[in-house]
Amino acid sequence: AQSVTQLDSQVPVFEEAPVELRCNYSSSVSVYLFWYVQYPNQGLQLLLKYLSGSTLVKGINGFEAEFNKSQTSFHLRKPSVHISDTAEYFCAVTLSGSARQLTFGSGTQLTVLP
Amino acid sequence: NAGVMQNPRHLVRRRGQEARLRCSPMKGHSHVYWYRQLPEEGLKFMVYLQKENIIDESGMPKERFSAEFPKEGPSILRIQQVVRGDSAAYFCASSPGTSQETQYFGPGTRLLVL
Repeated sequence: AQSVTQLDSQVPVFEEAPVELRCNYSSSVSVYLFWYVQYPNQGLQLLLKYLSGSTLVKGINGFEAEFNKSQTSFHLRKPSVHISDTAEYFCAVTLSGSARQLTFGSGTQLTVLP
Repeated sequence: NAGVMQNPRHLVRRRGQEARLRCSPMKGHSHVYWYRQLPEEGLKFMVYLQKENIIDESGMPKERFSAEFPKEGPSILRIQQVVRGDSAAYFCASSPGTSQETQYFGPGTRLLVL
């Protein structure tokens, strides 16, 4: 079975500073990787995904993530954050090749300070 | 193209009552997933359905919980004889069922058991 670890439960950062949200996964087979964002009292919105190909994936709102197979990581980055990026961010994994349940990390609360 | 619809958005029940949560997938999507988010936690998979079939219910509690996705109409998650520990946000996601698996989430139903 696969699992996901998000190492930081809370990340405070000042506006316009860069940010990295860490995600590590474990799986004995090939996986797909996702980052979702959840704003207060709302559902999850897909930020980006890695299925195959280039290990650097660009998503919406200026976010990007890099798949590192040797380190089993999929860290999310943004070079300059805005107040509006304040939200909960979830990393998720599913087995590649067919429809499968998503396994989520416990989430990282990003708080952007003025 | 409307997104995943869930209703009601908020549901209050007293202990022992039944809760029915509805999910209409995105147009053209034939796969539905239900997840539960307890306070301060990530999402946990409950059940995966296709039309008229339960594909994977490994995350469903053994008692009181059931799910269906009929040929016509929305998917229903049913919780009988609710208890306070059932209070959570319940999210539905849908996907087209292709091998490149991206799940799109609804806004969730927040269940409060008094």
